[in-house]
Amino acid sequence: NAGVTQTPKFRILKIGQSMTLQCTQDMNHNYMYWYRQDPGMGLKLIYYSVGAGITDKGEVPNGYNVSRSTTEDFPLRLELAAPSQTSVYFCASSYKRDSYEQYFGPGTRLTVT
Amino acid sequence: LAKTTQPISMDSYEGQEVNITCSHNNIATNDYITWYQQFPSQGPRFIIQGYKTKVTNEVASLFIPADRKSSTLSLPRVSLSDTAVYYCLVGGLGSQGNLIFGKGTKLSVKP
Repeated sequence: NAGVTQTPKFRILKIGQSMTLQCTQDMNHNYMYWYRQDPGMGLKLIYYSVGAGITDKGEVPNGYNVSRSTTEDFPLRLELAAPSQTSVYFCASSYKRDSYEQYFGPGTRLTVT
Repeated sequence: LAKTTQPISMDSYEGQEVNITCSHNNIATNDYITWYQQFPSQGPRFIIQGYKTKVTNEVASLFIPADRKSSTLSLPRVSLSDTAVYYCLVGGLGSQGNLIFGKGTKLSVKP
């Protein structure tokens, strides 16, 4: 049982490039989330999903897109990367939407220069 | 969502008990108190949750007084590996079910 896995661990992008951050969970959780964490700050929600085929925006969705074709996978797409997207990205999942116990992946550290 | 106040940082030594207090004066009747731990370069990890009095698990204890306006996370006999940021969340779910994190308390355990 690997929990929540994320790839890659690190990535450097040039301004204007695009990339996909991968997230997979093997706990059969319906709810999945993408957060970003800027240095010294808490986490902010980018997008979330309540099940396969259903996604919705969080607090800071601009510049990102998501899809959820399976229960296990929830990739985050960055289009036209900007320096403001330099951050650590965490994927998380939970059994219930109102669960305070969310399971986080190890994160992807992204730098846009 | 109840606002929380925690110390920005704390220092301790191995083997000591560490108590981190979180103030939440405007906690609502149906709010739970939840603590997360985040190690450097890792995602947050759920530690413990409680509503009132005392909750204990294999990692920590959570003490909540009767008025629930504060809570204390207690870590027994800390080790170097307990060095992390600890977040107190109160009613910490947004409308989308996301967790609302503050800046947390950075605990440094020294040998």
